Amino acid sequence: QVQLVQSGSELKKSGASVKISCKTSGYSFTRYVINWVRQAPGQGLQWMGWINTNTGNPTYAQDFSRRFVFSLDTSVRTVYLQINSLRAEDTAIYYCVRDFSVIRGLFSTYYFDFWGQGTLVTVSS
Amino acid sequence: DIQMTQSPSSLSASVGDRVTITCRASQNIARYLNWYRQKPGGAPRLLIYAASNLQSGVPSRFSGRGSGTDFTLTINSLQLEDFATYYCQQSYTTRTFGQGTKLE
Repeated sequence: QVQLVQSGSELKKSGASVKISCKTSGYSFTRYVINWVRQAPGQGLQWMGWINTNTGNPTYAQDFSRRFVFSLDTSVRTVYLQINSLRAEDTAIYYCVRDFSVIRGLFSTYYFDFWGQGTLVTVSS
Repeated sequence: DIQMTQSPSSLSASVGDRVTITCRASQNIARYLNWYRQKPGGAPRLLIYAASNLQSGVPSRFSGRGSGTDFTLTINSLQLEDFATYYCQQSYTTRTFGQGTKLE
C-alpha cells in the first residue's frame, strides 16, 4: 500500500537549519510529484511547492522561494525539505503529500491523495 | 496566483443537519477543485475531486458542485466525525488552499 513516512519532530534554535525527510513506498516513485504543505499552529493549510520526482526539478510557492529547499534521493525513494535561517514563524507542522493525476482523453484532474503523518518543527529563540 | 476564498469561516450545526460550504476562486479554474476534511491532530483527507467526484471510501452524504469560479460542498445528515475543518483546493495551476471552514 502507498505510504509516506516522515521524520520525527525537531526543536531548533532561531537561525539554524533543519532537514525533514519523507520516505515513500508502495508505488512507482518517479511517477508522481510530491508536494510540501505547511500548517502553523491553529492555522490553515499553506501550499509550499512541489518537487518533480522524475526530473528533480522543484517549484516553490512565492512565500517559500528563499529559505526553503526541496530535494530527493531516488535510490531510497525519499524527498527532503530543508529550511534555512529558521525563524519563530516557521514553527509549524510540515506535510509531504503525493499529487495524483488523472488524464483520460479530454478529462484531467489533480489532487492530493496520500499524506505523510506530518513533522512538527519548533523554532525557539 | 489564484486565490481561494471559503465562506463561512466557521459554522455551527448539529448532528443530522445539512450544511453547505462555499468556495470561490479568483479566476476561472474550470472544475479543478478539490475538497478535504481535517480532523484535529490529523492530516487532511480527500473527500471530493474535480468539483463533484466522490473519492473512493467517502460516504455519499458528501457532495460537491460548481465550475468556473464558484463551488459548494454539501454534507447531508451530519455525523459526529464531520465536525472538523474543511478546505477547498484548486489544482488548475500549481496549488492553493482556501482558508478553511471550521464546522462546530
